[in-house]
Amino acid sequence: QSVLTQPPSASGTPGQRVTISCSGSRSNIGSNYVYWYQQVPGMAPKVLMYRNDERPSGVPDRFSASKSDTSASLAISGLRSEDEADYFCAAWDDGLSVWMFGGGTKLTVL
Amino acid sequence: QVQLQQSGPGLVKPSQTLSLTCVISGDSVSSDRAAWNWIRQSPSRGLEWLGRTWYKSKWSYDYAVSVKSRITVTPDTSKNQFSLHLSSVTPDDSAVYYCAREDVGYGNNQFAFWGQGTLVTVSS
Repeated sequence: QSVLTQPPSASGTPGQRVTISCSGSRSNIGSNYVYWYQQVPGMAPKVLMYRNDERPSGVPDRFSASKSDTSASLAISGLRSEDEADYFCAAWDDGLSVWMFGGGTKLTVL
Repeated sequence: QVQLQQSGPGLVKPSQTLSLTCVISGDSVSSDRAAWNWIRQSPSRGLEWLGRTWYKSKWSYDYAVSVKSRITVTPDTSKNQFSLHLSSVTPDDSAVYYCAREDVGYGNNQFAFWGQGTLVTVSS
């Protein structure tokens, strides 16, 4: 059972803006950076956002993220068909000394 | 560019030890800017972090509580690789196993590089 809680699914039409939430606790999101990963079927996850809201080079600025207290969110604007993938949040947990992952959100572009 | 190449059996019998290796190119297992992780993924457990090793004057290890009594992550500097050993496996350990490089030392601990994944099935 994942300690970081994400909605199992999200959807939108091309051009729309969608957000994916990630809820944790004081010992993980509340104390540490949040990372977001994108995974397409059959491939390893790829880092999408780091240190709460920073984008690696090569990630379009349509992707943005934020963190507040013990929750975080990922936003995708100008939705495109290639954004269809699974999205995971992650944060280090100081209490358990482990990396925590969210259960993942499957994004469907309608 | 860092590349991680995984190898190991795809089928392991219950009660035996699951062993996987991750060969590193483009970096060193002894780098003080990286930690070397094992993560698995299954439909029932999602992404689950298992453990890591890193070197900063000496080798250090962190393991997930859920597997702490059964796991060993072993670096091999002569072959520039690291391995996962998970003992007493059950069908519940069936998953895709990934090795991953974690950036350390700059306040950004992203899993920047991943192996290709190995599907391991525990079955007799």
